[in-house]
Amino acid sequence: GAGVSQSPRYKVAKRGQDVALRCDPISGHVSLFWYQQALGQGPEFLTYFQNEAQLDKSGLPSDRFFAERPEGSVSTLKIQRTQQEDSAVYLCASSLMGLAGGQETQYFGPGTRLLVL
Amino acid sequence: TQLLEQSPQFLSIQEGENLTVYCNSSSVFSSLQWYRQEPGEGPVLLVTVVTGGEVKKLKRLTFQFGDARKDSSLHITAAQPGDTGLYLCAGGGSGGSNYKLTFGKGTLLTVNP
Repeated sequence: GAGVSQSPRYKVAKRGQDVALRCDPISGHVSLFWYQQALGQGPEFLTYFQNEAQLDKSGLPSDRFFAERPEGSVSTLKIQRTQQEDSAVYLCASSLMGLAGGQETQYFGPGTRLLVL
Repeated sequence: TQLLEQSPQFLSIQEGENLTVYCNSSSVFSSLQWYRQEPGEGPVLLVTVVTGGEVKKLKRLTFQFGDARKDSSLHITAAQPGDTGLYLCAGGGSGGSNYKLTFGKGTLLTVNP
């Protein structure tokens, strides 16, 4: 089945490098979310897109984090000048509607595990 | 800031035992979701509860939403090794932010054969 896919699954970066993480949502899903999950923690909301519009970026930790979804499907989360504290699993999720349905299902991808040395 | 506290943080039991995990908050949530996450995978939704006092059953799993919509519990009957995983609760935001989920830290459950 065509679930949410993310690439790469693992990324090792040296401190100061830029990284780009890709998310392919379920086809036709309007809403897309990015979460950060540190070791031993639950996922924390980063940002939310409805189609190509970024409606909420309140969870992005700093201006080094940037997300885009230019054509309303694939999304990229970019982290500039990575720091050790950026090491975490970055999860992407999509849902059919998002804003119109507060209780609808978010489908998560397997995540990208980022390690910054 | 809405916070969700889950307890216990870790739980290791034998196959066939019953268990309950808890999710508590001082805030009211529009909805409460339970997820299970396995190593190297994303969370998978188990259930959504919306109404205070609501009880939902999913095979051997029973989910309850508190009357005041601030807390929830998950009860597993006759646990099996396949139930092993990280159980996360997540609260839905209110109003225009109802898409935003706030997750607890999770309960890591190990069911030994």
